[in-house]
Order: sequence, then C-alpha cells, then structure tokens
Amino acid sequence: KAGVTQTPRYLIKTRGQQVTLSCSPISGHRSVSWYQQTPGQGLQFLFEYFSETQRNKGNFPGRFSGRQFSNSRSEMNVSTLELGDSALYLCASSLLGITDTQYFGPGTRLTVL
Amino acid sequence: GESVGLHLPTLSVQEGDNSIINCAYSNSASDYFIWYKQESGKGPQFIIDIRSNMDKRQGQRVTVLLNKTVKHLSLQIAATQPGDSAVYFCAEILNTGNQFYFGTGTSLTVIP
Repeated sequence: KAGVTQTPRYLIKTRGQQVTLSCSPISGHRSVSWYQQTPGQGLQFLFEYFSETQRNKGNFPGRFSGRQFSNSRSEMNVSTLELGDSALYLCASSLLGITDTQYFGPGTRLTVL
Repeated sequence: GESVGLHLPTLSVQEGDNSIINCAYSNSASDYFIWYKQESGKGPQFIIDIRSNMDKRQGQRVTVLLNKTVKHLSLQIAATQPGDSAVYFCAEILNTGNQFYFGTGTSLTVIP
C-alpha cells in the first residue's frame, strides 16, 4: 500500500505571496491532518479534514486554510506569506481521525524569503 | 494553551543499552498519548500509543509508561540500536475539542 505523499517537497516563496501544498493520503483513509514543524515551536496541529469537511482546527490565523476533495486528497493554502511561515509542513492520514493511528508524509519544506 | 514538554532535549546511549525518554504533560483530561519517531528528512512515524485508562503498554522493544498522578509519560527502548537514532516526540490528544499537542522532541543518538 502506498504511503502518504506530499507535493512539492521543497518550495521557496517571497513575503506576501500565497502557496498551495498538496497531500495524497493512504488509500482508504478519509482523515487528513496538517501540521507545521519549526525548530522553535516544534510540531503544531493546523487542522483536520474528514470526508471533505474541516472537523478540527488548531490555533493558527485565517491565512492558513485547507480543503479536502472527494477522493480524500487534501490541499493546504497559506496566503500573504510571512517570514515566520518558513517551516516543514506535514500531513498525516488515518482511517478515523486524529485519535486514530496517523501516518505521516515526508513533508513540504517551505522557505519564505 | 496546553503544553507537552520533554525533560531532556538530547540523549546519548551506547548500542545495546536501554533508553528512556521522558515527557511531561499538563492537562489531566488528556485521553490519549502517542510516541512518534522522526528520522532526518522524514515525517514522524508512529511507535506506540496508550490510552489514559492504562498505565503501561508494550510493543516490540518499546514500552510506554503513563503516570497520571504526576502527568508523566515515558518511552523505554530496549537494546537500543543505531537505527533508533532519531528525534522522539510525545503527543497528547484531548478528546474534548479534539486538540492535538506535540512535545518539542528529544534527540536520541546511539553510539556504536
């Protein structure tokens, strides 16, 4: 069974731009969660989507948004990028949600200049 | 917000020794705890989990202990191997509001 895939793996943007990251979950998994990982803050939960609906949300500003498609693939969008948005963005998929075993992708490394 | 912290940021052990990685959590209402391993360039990998109604759970070479009295979680790795070198995170999940918090991580280095 293929694992969680994320594209692109690396991305460089400038302040003020917007970015869209993509995540393809493990086949059959309906839950996709997104996380931000930085050296200073560690891993932080962004949001979770289940069956195309946002089910849970962490404490991030509205510039961070996402969506999930009918095939469970998910996208995350960050608008008006700030330098502090530079991070590794990870997505994870699971059958039932964040209280179920989650399988992480390799992440997208975003650098904001 | 809630905090999930680790006692030691780095840990070095000799190959074959046992490793113990600790984690403190602050919310006594947390329901579920997970340990993840993250190798360089990869996403976190599930190791073992434990529910709040349990004190101990064992896997292959790993044991998680939960002490709810002092809100402490530990991961024990038996016969540590070079392949165990990685950053280990604990995570705390609160069913109320379905909030998910990670610790900052402990970097484990296994010395051959």
